[in-house]
Amino acid sequence: GDSVTQMEGPVTLSEEAFLTINCTYTATGYPSLFWYVQYPGEGLQLLLKATKADDKGSNKGFEATYRKETTSFHLEKGSVQVSDSAVYFCALSHTGYSSASKIIFGSGTRLSIRP
Amino acid sequence: SAVISQKPSRDICQRGTSLTIQCQVDSQVTMMFWYRQQPGQSLTLIATANQGSEATYESGFVIDKFPISRPNLTFSTLTVSNMSPEDSSIYLCSVDGTSGSFDTQYFGPGTRLTVL
Repeated sequence: GDSVTQMEGPVTLSEEAFLTINCTYTATGYPSLFWYVQYPGEGLQLLLKATKADDKGSNKGFEATYRKETTSFHLEKGSVQVSDSAVYFCALSHTGYSSASKIIFGSGTRLSIRP
Repeated sequence: SAVISQKPSRDICQRGTSLTIQCQVDSQVTMMFWYRQQPGQSLTLIATANQGSEATYESGFVIDKFPISRPNLTFSTLTVSNMSPEDSSIYLCSVDGTSGSFDTQYFGPGTRLTVL
């Protein structure tokens, strides 16, 4: 079945450091790929998504490129801030023609940024 | 994107009791989903709720333990029945995107449940 494997945490970085959180997937067909973020004490927020190969999703300085050849969707940010401290979930979903399908989540990566 | 609210936001319950969690959306949606996030874990889908039909449960989840209602296109409830400490989790509802964006789900803020 479909699965998502992401970099284990926790990850601790200093402010302004470069961030990469690795994510690879196993899936049939051509799933949509997502990064969700969960800030402390809050629910999940969609951070970015990509729906086909070579698409780049971006939001709030974060980027991820859908790489079908390596089945990867790594999350990157050039300069992290303390406010980026959160848990990041990589996920996939197969698009339905009339409604959404369930999301398969990775295990989550906790990111902590030191001032 | 849809605006989703959940009630209660948190609760502390006694073993053997039941809690009903409400999920309200500000627009009509086709599918609503209920997830469980156990402490320090990822999200696991409990069931999918389509208006006007019985909910579809994932493996490992049963209707007697997690009954779901979906009376209209903007509202759903999840009941956690006969609770035990193992049910202590965050419960989140999500909805599918609006027309043209069915590949995206939007999540409510979650209900943090502690069972003593």
